[in-house]
Amino acid sequence: DAGVIQSPRHEVTEMGQEVTLRCKPISGHNSLFWYRQTMMRGLELLIYFNNNVPIDDSGMPEDRFSAKMPNASFSTLKIQPSEPRDSAVYFCASRGTGELFFGEGSRLTVL
Amino acid sequence: QQQVKQSPQSLIVQKGGISIINCAYENTAFDYFPWYQQFPGKGPALLIAIRPDVSEKKEGRFTISFNKSAKQFSLHIMDSQPGDSATYFCAASKEGSQGNLIFGKGTKLSVKP
Repeated sequence: DAGVIQSPRHEVTEMGQEVTLRCKPISGHNSLFWYRQTMMRGLELLIYFNNNVPIDDSGMPEDRFSAKMPNASFSTLKIQPSEPRDSAVYFCASRGTGELFFGEGSRLTVL
Repeated sequence: QQQVKQSPQSLIVQKGGISIINCAYENTAFDYFPWYQQFPGKGPALLIAIRPDVSEKKEGRFTISFNKSAKQFSLHIMDSQPGDSATYFCAASKEGSQGNLIFGKGTKLSVKP
């Protein structure tokens, strides 16, 4: 299996622009997670889905952030409008009945 | 509120030495305690995990020690190697491995040759 696939790997954008991060979970995994990693706050859970349904979005910073999972093989995390403080590495992870597998992350820089 | 506190923030160890990273948790409902290893430019990957019904788990050079009464657990890396240089995260969850993980802030380990 190719593992969890994220795109883009790197994104540089200007403040106010819309950013869309994409994730393809491991086939057969029914839970998908979005994390944000910064030096100051470490790894923070933003939202997670179970069987494509959002279960807990309490970690989403504010209304500028939204996430969707239209089917079992695809999820997006959207930031609109983006701000410099959103600069971070965003990880997608998926899980079946066992351990959590992370993608390689999307490094976002908002200027 | 930080539910999992990890220390030290960074650690430098000589090749062949023992690396020790500590974590403390607050929520007594936690019942699954994994350690993740992250190399630069990569996502975290599960290294080793323990449940509170045992006090120690060993896998090769990596050992988790667990102290339920103190609500603390630690990772020991024996015979540390330069290839072990990475960031290590402890985590905890309720509902076993199916629960949501709460991560510590990470420890950057450098093993000097």
